[in-house]
Order: sequence, then C-alpha cells, then structure tokens
Amino acid sequence: DTAVSQTPKYLVTQMGNDKSIKCEQNLGHDTMYWYKQDSKKFLKIMFSYNNKELIINETVPNRFSPKSPDKAHLNLHINSLELGDSAVYFCASSQVVSGYGYTFGSGTRLTVV
Amino acid sequence: GNSVTQMEGPVTLSEEAFLTINCTYTATGYPSLFWYVQYPGEGLQLLLKATKADDKGSNKGFEATYRKETTSFHLEKGSVQVSDSAVYFCALYGGGTSYGKLTFGQGTILTVHP
Repeated sequence: DTAVSQTPKYLVTQMGNDKSIKCEQNLGHDTMYWYKQDSKKFLKIMFSYNNKELIINETVPNRFSPKSPDKAHLNLHINSLELGDSAVYFCASSQVVSGYGYTFGSGTRLTVV
Repeated sequence: GNSVTQMEGPVTLSEEAFLTINCTYTATGYPSLFWYVQYPGEGLQLLLKATKADDKGSNKGFEATYRKETTSFHLEKGSVQVSDSAVYFCALYGGGTSYGKLTFGQGTILTVHP
C-alpha cells in the first residue's frame, strides 16, 4: 500500500497548456503539502493544506492553484504552463502542521516543451 | 529567514570509504534538524533527526550531531556501500514564522563505486 501516491509520475506537455497533478494519502494525516524540486535538486515549499484549509501559500505564480477536496487529497492545477515550470513536484503529508513526520510521495516529473 | 547550506556535490567514493557531507544552517531560535535521503526515482525519506543542541541522530550507520556553537549538522558514515548512492538533503524546521515549512539545503549527490 502506497502511503502518499502521486499521478502521473511523468508529464510532458507543451507551453501554454493547462495540467493537473493529483496526490492522495492513506495515512489519515490532516496536513498535505506541495514542494517543487528544480533542476539543481533545490526543494522549496509551495502550498500546504490542513483539513482542507489553505495554511501555507508561498510566493508562487497565481497560475498554480491547489485544491483539496478532502483531507486525503491535494491536487495541483497549473495554467498556461511555461518552460520554467519544468521540475519535479513532490506531495507530502504529516499528521499535524509541523516539520515532523513528513511522508513524501515519489514525485511527478513535469517537462514543458 | 531560515536557510540551510550543504557542501557542493557530487561526491564520489569507493565502497567502505568514510563519508562526510557538511551542513550548516541559519535560523532564529532553536530549530530541529533533519537529514533526508532520496533514492533514484523515489520520494524523500527521513534518515535521521535531532531536536536540540548536542543531540546525535543515527540510523543505518549514518550519524549527525546538532552543534549549536558552529550551527552545523554534518552527516557521517564510517563505511559506505553501493546501496548508499542517493541524494542527501539537510533540512531544518524552525517553527514560528516557518510554521509547517521544512527548509531544505540544495542536496548532495553521493555515488559509491564497488
């Protein structure tokens, strides 16, 4: 049983398209996160939801919109994709809002061409 | 704000060599410190952690000691194996204004040859 699962694993798309990445966790955690890993492996938080409420919203272009239909799911929708959006996007969850007890998904590699 | 700096990689070692990956941090207050490992094609996994000064985190032969005086949390292993090849991330959690956010270093790629 995968604890935090992301789909798709790979996504190749053209500039200007709109795409979504989905994340689901079966750990019963209350908090979920999106992190972006750039080509130099640098990881930075984008968003976090706690019980479907947005609690962290870093300086991210408003083309990125997270949505949490329930506390087990956190999706990331990206409009008007740009070349610079190419990265690996990681979903993670934790029991409470904290830096402890994170479980990460295996990532979605997005390539914009 | 909080920040983490790791030694530049990549690091290439022979099996059974000694490993050190340096990590220093900047934070207000008393953060908790972590090492995460990312194996090829996988997500990050917690390797070890330390929550206060002079704590030593250890797991799978890896160790790191929280040194407040030098603001460091260097990762060490006495004898690496090929299976240790991965990307290693130092991270901190400082609470306060960084509520819920892990701050990561830039990652160090380790390759171990037989």
